[in-house]
Formats: sequence, structure tokens, C-alpha cells
Amino acid sequence: GENVEQHPSTLSVQEGDSAVIKCTYSDSASNYFPWYKQELGKGPQLIIDIRSNVGEKKDQRIAVTLNKTAKHFSLHITETQPEDSAVYFCAASNFGNEKLTFGTGTRLTIIP
Amino acid sequence: NAGVTQTPKFQVLKTGQSMTLQCAQDMNHNSMYWYRQDPGMGLRLIYYSASEGTTDKGEVPNGYNVSRLNKREFSLRLESAAPSQTSVYFCASSDQGSNEKLFFGSGTQLSVL
Repeated sequence: GENVEQHPSTLSVQEGDSAVIKCTYSDSASNYFPWYKQELGKGPQLIIDIRSNVGEKKDQRIAVTLNKTAKHFSLHITETQPEDSAVYFCAASNFGNEKLTFGTGTRLTIIP
Repeated sequence: NAGVTQTPKFQVLKTGQSMTLQCAQDMNHNSMYWYRQDPGMGLRLIYYSASEGTTDKGEVPNGYNVSRLNKREFSLRLESAAPSQTSVYFCASSDQGSNEKLFFGSGTQLSVL
């Protein structure tokens, strides 16, 4: 089955700097890669997703890049703000398959 | 528009007790899911319902049962709770199926003593 590894487990960055979280996956058939943000005491919230036919996708300060050959994808947050502090999860699945495999999460702390 | 509502928010059980976690969504989504979240393990799918009237096992279904009561409601039942079921449980829904673009509830923190 699919295995998703996520690094780092914790990340602290100065406000205004960029943050990068990386994930690798094992199943070459995976073609859908979402990122979820989880704030304290809340459920995860989808912030961006990408399909395997696209190499990069941006949404304001957030971007995701995908390298299918190397089987890894990354979340980039630019101009970080205090409200970006949260736990971020990557995930991977094969479209049409209900098995979405999550990474173990990255706790991002923005230092004012 | 409340989204996905889970009850209760907190629950403490003794080993062997039973309980049902309730979930309702008001977004007219076809697909609903139950996940558990454990430290250092991310989220794991317990059961899902791709549409009203259907349910299927996920990655970790042992010790759980589910009921898709109608299009809005999807409940998770623990028949005989065990300490290994101590976890945070999340319900989610999607209008796209295939675990895409999930909307999560705020979770139920369950402790089994």
C-alpha cells in the first residue's frame, strides 16, 4: 500500500520568512496530493491540492510543487504570518480509490 | 451553514462500554468518512460511505461499526470499547468522493480507561 513520509515534524520560522514542508510517497499510481491545515482544537482544513498532471500550483502565499519522477511533493508558504501557525498534513491517493494516506504532520510555529 | 457537526466533543468510557459518535453535514454531500487521529500517526480511515445506503471498510475498521442513517448523517459505533481506541475521531464529508476535498468536523476526543 501507499506510504507517505513527511518532514520535518516541527518547524519554526521568523514571521515574514518562508516555510517549506516536504513529503515523499511510495506508490507511483498515486495522482492526487492534498495539503491540510489543522489549527488547535479544530479539524483539518484543505488549503491546496494538486493532481499529477500538474507540476506546480499556487494560491496567494501558498504553493505546492510535485516531482513525479522522484515521488515527492512540497508545500511552500511565503511571507509567513502568525496565523500560519498550525499542524500541516500532506496526503496522497489514487483518484477513484478511497484510500487517502496521510503523512504524520508538521507543527509549524511562526515566531513574531 | 454549520458544515460538519460532531457530537459529543469529549467522552470518557470504561473498557467494555459502548457508545455512538454522531455526525451530520448540511452541505448535501454524497460521501462521508470517519477518521481517527493518533499522535505521530496522522489520520487513518476507519469507515466511509460513498453514498447514502452504502458503507465500506477503511484502513482500521476493527472494533467499529457504522450506519449511514440518511444523506446527512453518518454514525460510528464502538460496541465494546478498548484502551487502544483512545483517540481523536473526525468525521468528514465530500461532494467529490474518492476522499477528495474533505470537509472535517471539529472532532471527538475519546478516552477509554
